Amino acid sequence: GDSVTQMEGPVTLSEEAFLTINCTYTATGYPSLFWYVQYPGEGLQLLLKATKADDKGSNKGFEATYRKETTSFHLEKGSVQVSDSAVYFCALYSGGYQKVTFGTGTKLQVIP
Amino acid sequence: GAVVSQHPSRVICKSGTSVKIECRSLDFQATTMFWYRQFPKQSLMLMATSNEGSKATYEQGVEKDKFLINHASLTLSTLTVTSAHPEDSSFYICSARRREGRETQYFGPGTRLLVL
Repeated sequence: GDSVTQMEGPVTLSEEAFLTINCTYTATGYPSLFWYVQYPGEGLQLLLKATKADDKGSNKGFEATYRKETTSFHLEKGSVQVSDSAVYFCALYSGGYQKVTFGTGTKLQVIP
Repeated sequence: GAVVSQHPSRVICKSGTSVKIECRSLDFQATTMFWYRQFPKQSLMLMATSNEGSKATYEQGVEKDKFLINHASLTLSTLTVTSAHPEDSSFYICSARRREGRETQYFGPGTRLLVL
């Protein structure tokens, strides 16, 4: 079946540091890949997505590129802020967008 | 954008009582709604999928008699946790999808349930 593997957290960074959160996946067919963010006590918000190989999703300074050859969708940001502290989930949509498979989430803590 | 709301945002109840959680799509009609459960520091687990006017499809291991789902209209789905017990305490998140095809799910803000 489909699966998503994320790096374990928590990740603690100083403000303005470079962020990478690794995400790899296994899936049959051609899934679409997503990153969601969950702030404390809240639900999930879509951060960015990519629907086919070599697509780059970007939003709020975050970027991720759909790499089919390495089955990866790593999340990056050049300069993190305290307000970026949250849990980040990598996810894939498959089966004609019927099914969503989430990674276990990576908690990011940015300190001033 | 597509907005999904949940009510209540948090609820505390006594063991043995039933709790109803509402999920509404505020500015679109949702052909399909999904219910997830999130344990502390863990990912989201899909509980069930519901289509308006038909019975919900439950994931393996989820008790349909325990977690009653009603998708009464294209903008409302409810999850009722019947005879709740402390182990049902969790964060419940719903999502909604506007139509079939390559359409993302829009997530609600979640409901924190604490059963004493």
